[in-house]
Amino acid sequence: GENVEQHPSTLSVQEGDSAVIKCTYSDSASNYFPWYKQELGKGPQLIIDIRSNVGEKKDQRIAVTLNKTAKHFSLHITETQPEDSAVYFCAASSPYTGRRALTFGSGTRLQVQP
Amino acid sequence: DTEVTQTPKHLVMGMTNKKSLKCEQHMGHRAMYWYKQKAKKPPELMFVYSYEKLSINESVPSRFSPECPNSSLLNLHLHALQPEDSALYLCASSQGTRADEQYFGPGTRLTVT
Repeated sequence: GENVEQHPSTLSVQEGDSAVIKCTYSDSASNYFPWYKQELGKGPQLIIDIRSNVGEKKDQRIAVTLNKTAKHFSLHITETQPEDSAVYFCAASSPYTGRRALTFGSGTRLQVQP
Repeated sequence: DTEVTQTPKHLVMGMTNKKSLKCEQHMGHRAMYWYKQKAKKPPELMFVYSYEKLSINESVPSRFSPECPNSSLLNLHLHALQPEDSALYLCASSQGTRADEQYFGPGTRLTVT
């Protein structure tokens, strides 16, 4: 089955700096890669996603890049703000296996210092 | 609107109690999911309903019993739980059945005493 590894487990940046979180996946058939932000006491919130037919996607201060050959994808947050502090999860899914479900990474706790 | 609602927000139950968690979405999504999340861990899939039929059961103990009364509602019936079942229970839904673009509810924080 799919295996998703996520690094780093914790990340502390100064407000205004950029933050990068990286994930690798094992199943070359995976074609959908979402990123979720989870604030304390809340459910995960879908913040951006990318499909395997594109290499990069941006939405204001956040962007995701995908390298299918290397089987890794990354989340980039620019001009970080204190409200970006949360746990971020990457995930992957493949429509070609019988088990049509997301496989999550282990999470990254991002702390933005004011 | 990408809202999934869950009730109750918090639940404390004894090991002999029977309780139910409820989830609702009005986005016309045809797949609904139950996840369990322990502290500092990613969500762990429990069940998937596709077009109101159970399509995935991740070998969940029978003390957890899912139900999908209609396309907008998803319940999780709890009976004879153990303290280690204490966790955040998350409901999610997606438009189609490919597991992508899942939208999560706020979760129910369950404590088993």
